[in-house]
Amino acid sequence: RKEVEQDPGPFNVPEGATVAFNCTYSNSASQSFFWYRQDCRKEPKLLMSVYSSGNEDGRFTAQLNRASQYISLLIRDSKLSDSATYLCGTGGGNKLTFGTGTQLKVEL
Amino acid sequence: NAGVTQTPKFQVLKTGQSMTLQCAQDMNHNSMYWYRQDPGMGLRLIYYSASEGTTDKGEVPNGYNVSRLNKREFSLRLESAAPSQTSVYFCASIEGGGAQPQHFGDGTRLSIL
Repeated sequence: RKEVEQDPGPFNVPEGATVAFNCTYSNSASQSFFWYRQDCRKEPKLLMSVYSSGNEDGRFTAQLNRASQYISLLIRDSKLSDSATYLCGTGGGNKLTFGTGTQLKVEL
Repeated sequence: NAGVTQTPKFQVLKTGQSMTLQCAQDMNHNSMYWYRQDPGMGLRLIYYSASEGTTDKGEVPNGYNVSRLNKREFSLRLESAAPSQTSVYFCASIEGGGAQPQHFGDGTRLSIL
């Protein structure tokens, strides 16, 4: 079993839709959690950190469920510009482990 | 504000050739990382350096060596390139430990024929 798992998608959604991704992790000692956005052939860029109490940044909401060992990302009112691959990362000590990413395609 | 700079951006090698990928950060970060990214495999950690003077193996270290030249620079060397090492390589850095998000360079696209 991979340490961090994501549904690769693609998720094809119409503009304005709400879409949610999950990311499961197997290391119960993980201490930090992040969502990154990666555009085609570009480097991953931090979208948001994920805090225990959940956190929101504009149209994006991230949540952590330690009991079930997953994090989630909710995107409301999807824009064409949200089309990208979303990577989750979990960390502890000096390292982060990443999932393979979920591809989102927002369509007209 | 350069952040994390990787050179070269693109490289084509023949099997058996050697080369060094360079990474430098100007954020005074302590920890630096080298990943490779392949289709369907996500980001896999090759080596990392938690602080100047230390290096540790990651998930896929075979065929690679690293040098933490100073606090700013962390290089990745392929001694004898193989087609299986064709990939996109990303360098990343963070100020402290794994509790902080990583900042990535824009990658080196390496093809080995």
